[in-house]
Amino acid sequence: DAGVTQSPTHLIKTRGQQVTLRCSPKSGHDTVSWYQQALGQGPQFIFQYYEEEERQRGNFPDRFSGHQFPNYSSELNVNALLLGDSALYLCASSWAPSGGWGEQFFGPGTRLTVL
Amino acid sequence: AQSVTQLDSQVPVFEEAPVELRCNYSSSVSVYLFWYVQYPNQGLQLLLKYLSGSTLVKGINGFEAEFNKSQTSFHLRKPSVHISDTAEYFCAVRRGQGAQKLVFGQGTRLTINP
Repeated sequence: DAGVTQSPTHLIKTRGQQVTLRCSPKSGHDTVSWYQQALGQGPQFIFQYYEEEERQRGNFPDRFSGHQFPNYSSELNVNALLLGDSALYLCASSWAPSGGWGEQFFGPGTRLTVL
Repeated sequence: AQSVTQLDSQVPVFEEAPVELRCNYSSSVSVYLFWYVQYPNQGLQLLLKYLSGSTLVKGINGFEAEFNKSQTSFHLRKPSVHISDTAEYFCAVRRGQGAQKLVFGQGTRLTINP
């Protein structure tokens, strides 16, 4: 079992650009959540996808958007990048049977640097 | 809304000494509680979780935590630490029912000195 995988590992962009981060969930998982972890901070919830729809969203602007594909993999898109978007972006997958809870397994993250 | 406060940003201890990392939470509804560990340049790994039942929860790597509802605390403990325990530790809370959003504390950096 490969666990949760994310790509790319590192990314450097300039202000105003757009970026796409990718996540493949753990085998058997159908729910993907994205978190932003700024340096020296705890992760902050961005949004969660289930059945290809955004199910819950944190306090992030519309510049942050996502998508989930039929194979449960997911993308996080950030438009009009700001310096403050520099962070480690973590993807977590889980299984949500009948709307119940499921332990979230985290990937290694994508380190985004905005110059 | 839920919130988590980790009372110590850094905790230095000597190898083989006991350690306690403190976590307090606030919530108007029942919650699930978690401790995660993050090693340098890695993602988060679940150490242990409290969902219900016994208030003393045992996790991996010899860690345990005690849920105290009256004090809204979920402190993490280990009786004897090793150099390999050097890492960032995060306490997190999730609403008991419904969505799976995790709310994390700011983290505690545990440094083990030989």
